[in-house]
Amino acid sequence: EPEVTQTPSHQVTQMGQEVILRCVPISNHLYFYWYRQILGQKVEFLVSFYNNEISEKSEIFDDQFSVERPDGSNFTLKIRSTKLEDSAMYFCASNLMRTYLNTEAFFGQGTRLTVV
Amino acid sequence: AQKVTQAQTEISVVEKEDVTLDCVYETRDTTYYLFWYKQPPSGELVFLIRRNSFDEQNEISGRYSWNFQKSTSSFNFTITASQVVDSAVYFCALSDSSGNTGKLIFGQGTTLQVKP
Repeated sequence: EPEVTQTPSHQVTQMGQEVILRCVPISNHLYFYWYRQILGQKVEFLVSFYNNEISEKSEIFDDQFSVERPDGSNFTLKIRSTKLEDSAMYFCASNLMRTYLNTEAFFGQGTRLTVV
Repeated sequence: AQKVTQAQTEISVVEKEDVTLDCVYETRDTTYYLFWYKQPPSGELVFLIRRNSFDEQNEISGRYSWNFQKSTSSFNFTITASQVVDSAVYFCALSDSSGNTGKLIFGQGTTLQVKP
């Protein structure tokens, strides 16, 4: 069964450092997403990506964040200068279409980011 | 604006009891999709069900059942004869077409504790 793969599963970083979270979406999918879940809270949309550009971003997704799909397979989320409040679980998701007529939303297993 | 409300923050039951998790949503869309996800302590999001707005049939899958009622904008989830392994956080989610990107809007989640 196809799956979305995220690496690393857990990353610890010092405040102010840059981090890159990596995701390998399902190979024929066209729509890609990052979501964030602060511990004990709900899952929140960060950004969507289609046709090699950001299609929508939330208020959370400020200038410290960026996404790219550098090689046609990986989909990365970069946080330029991490803050303590960036500590969260980050989920990558991918879809073939932007509707869910015949499909679920495919989520990766998450990367737990801890900023110290 | 699209919104999902899970009013029950925590529920505690004893094994073999039935339990219903409530989900109420708000949307202006005529076509939308609703989801339930399970998040065990390990943190990943486990897909349980997708339901589109045109299909109001209730669904049963083993001990799980879902009651979708458009008239009350609710999509409730019932676990029959609960087991300790059902202990998790459960999220209800709604597809959001406002940005035309297919992102999901999640509720706050309900923590279910099933005691032996």
